[in-house]
Amino acid sequence: DSGVTQTPKHLITATGQRVTLRCSPRSGDLSVYWYQQSLDQGLQFLIHYYNGEERAKGNILERFSAQQFPDLHSELNLSSLELGDSALYFCASSGPRRAGANVLTFGAGSRLTVL
Amino acid sequence: AQSVTQLGSHVSVSEGALVLLRCNYSSSVPPYLFWYVQYPNQGLQLLLKYTTGATLVKGINGFEAEFKKSETSFHLTKPSAHMSDAAEYFCAVITASGGSYIPTFGRGTSLIVHP
Repeated sequence: DSGVTQTPKHLITATGQRVTLRCSPRSGDLSVYWYQQSLDQGLQFLIHYYNGEERAKGNILERFSAQQFPDLHSELNLSSLELGDSALYFCASSGPRRAGANVLTFGAGSRLTVL
Repeated sequence: AQSVTQLGSHVSVSEGALVLLRCNYSSSVPPYLFWYVQYPNQGLQLLLKYTTGATLVKGINGFEAEFKKSETSFHLTKPSAHMSDAAEYFCAVITASGGSYIPTFGRGTSLIVHP
């Protein structure tokens, strides 16, 4: 157990639907990162939050949004789902300081299948 | 922007043989470099990291990597492969983005170990 908790582990839904993925970071970590892993794109950075504030955006679609709450858990919202959104979504945490040498601790991922 | 190239999407070795997984990076500043491992149905775990100082970095499970600035490389090696080393390996470089430090991952190399 890495200490980073992601729910749900698996999710199957239909095109056009909306889902929410949840992440609880490791105790004491202030940073949360979201990544999308797919066979054709590899690991793509989506977004980074630090202590409740958005700090950096990567290749995140406008249909996707995220937030980090005061208790530091984070949610990734995916809407108007398309077949191509099927992927493994990872949450990772680090901190408490923002530093380049910080190691990311990954959760086990949420596997999204869009039919 | 910093980037990482992992040569070879699959590497196959026999048990007991040398493991060599290649990683080249591009960075305009001294980089922070990482190797992570992903076992089936799990999140990524840190193997080792290079920040400053000694260029030969030792990690867990007998792995090590050498930072070679002149070659912009950070190849991962292990003298003798075990069946349990079969996994996906990711090289990562830190990219600074608006005060945030974002790990950018390579496409990954799948290590296959034959008996």
